[in-house]
Amino acid sequence: KNEVEQSPQNLTAQEGEFITINCSYSVGISALHWLQQHPGGGIVSLFMLSSGKKKHGRLIATINIQEKHSSLHITASHPRDSAVYICAVSGRDDKIIFGKGTRLHILP
Amino acid sequence: GAGVSQTPSNKVTEKGKYVELRCDPISGHTALYWYRQSLGQGPEFLIYFQGTGAADDSGLPNDRFFAVRPEGSVSTLKIQRTERGDSAVYLCASSLGGKTDTQYFGPGTRLTVL
Repeated sequence: KNEVEQSPQNLTAQEGEFITINCSYSVGISALHWLQQHPGGGIVSLFMLSSGKKKHGRLIATINIQEKHSSLHITASHPRDSAVYICAVSGRDDKIIFGKGTRLHILP
Repeated sequence: GAGVSQTPSNKVTEKGKYVELRCDPISGHTALYWYRQSLGQGPEFLIYFQGTGAADDSGLPNDRFFAVRPEGSVSTLKIQRTERGDSAVYLCASSLGGKTDTQYFGPGTRLTVL
């Protein structure tokens, strides 16, 4: 079993839909990261959080430390949101562990 | 200001050859990371530098892989006796401080070993 699991692996939705991507982890962490990877490979860091909730534009990230779970939400989704979204955790032993990513495709 | 840059963007080599991949982090970032991403997979951690020293090299798959950061800025990932299984995108990232800081990724180097 992977230490960081994401669901779903693939998600196709219509423009405007509310999107939720989930991340569960099994190790103790000091921080959790959400990354966005566009076709062509460029990776952008979206959020780094260790508790609570963060919001940036249409993106919202939440984390529940007790349940070892985080969610990334996209409101009013748009085709330009189509990308792979990757969850990564910084473990307490300083190791960084990545999930396999969620491939999101927003249809116009 | 400039982001993280990596050169070359693409490298094709033959099995058994030696390759060097370069990463220029954001100026002032003390932490530098190398990752490898195979097709359809998430990035895989290779090595983490804090300043000039490798703080964590536990992700290097074997002794054919080596990385240096002699002056605490530019880093070079070196792969000896390349194998076809080394083909992947090699990503570099930097952050201001440690592993809990936001990491800024470079565009990656796509390595193809024929």
